[in-house]
Amino acid sequence: GDSVTQMEGPVTLSEEAFLTINCTYTATGYPSLFWYVQYPGEGLQLLLKATKADDKGSNKGFEATYRKETTSFHLEKGSVQVSDSAVYFCALIPSSGGYNKLIFGAGTRLAVHP
Amino acid sequence: DTGVSQDPRHKITKRGQNVTFRCDPISEHNRLYWYRQTLGQGPEFLTYFQNEAQLEKSRLLSDRFSAERPKGSFSTLEIQRTEQGDSAMYLCASSFLTGQGLPDTQYFGPGTRLTVL
Repeated sequence: GDSVTQMEGPVTLSEEAFLTINCTYTATGYPSLFWYVQYPGEGLQLLLKATKADDKGSNKGFEATYRKETTSFHLEKGSVQVSDSAVYFCALIPSSGGYNKLIFGAGTRLAVHP
Repeated sequence: DTGVSQDPRHKITKRGQNVTFRCDPISEHNRLYWYRQTLGQGPEFLTYFQNEAQLEKSRLLSDRFSAERPKGSFSTLEIQRTEQGDSAMYLCASSFLTGQGLPDTQYFGPGTRLTVL
């Protein structure tokens, strides 16, 4: 079945460091891809998305490019801040079946220190 | 727009008791989803509604679980005869199906954390 694999955390960085969180997927066809973020004590929030191959999603300095050839959707940010500390989830919605459910990875915890 | 709300935020119960959670979606959203998240894992899909119709149920949703969405507005998730393995965060999300051939964005509530003793 369809699935998402993320790099294990926690990822610990100093402020202004470069961030990469790897995400690969297994799915038939062309799923839509998402990154959600969960800040401490808050609900899941959509960070960015891409709905077709080679699309780049971006928001709040974060970027991810839909790579069909490598089935990847890695999250990047050039300079992280302490406020970026959170758990990041990569997810997909299959291209068949009516767009009815998100399939999530296990999440990657990011801790940014001053 | 006040976002998706869930009630209660926390529930502690004893094994064998029944519990019911409520989700109020963003107004005018026609789709509503339930997910379950256990510690250290990503959310897992349980079921979803389009308006008042329940269109899909995951195999994770055993016979002890039932969800309703009367009148296509709020939804309830009931767990009967709770077990310790039911301890998890139960998340609700809603979206508006645009019908334009692309998945709609799902907006999540804060979740209900269930602890079964």
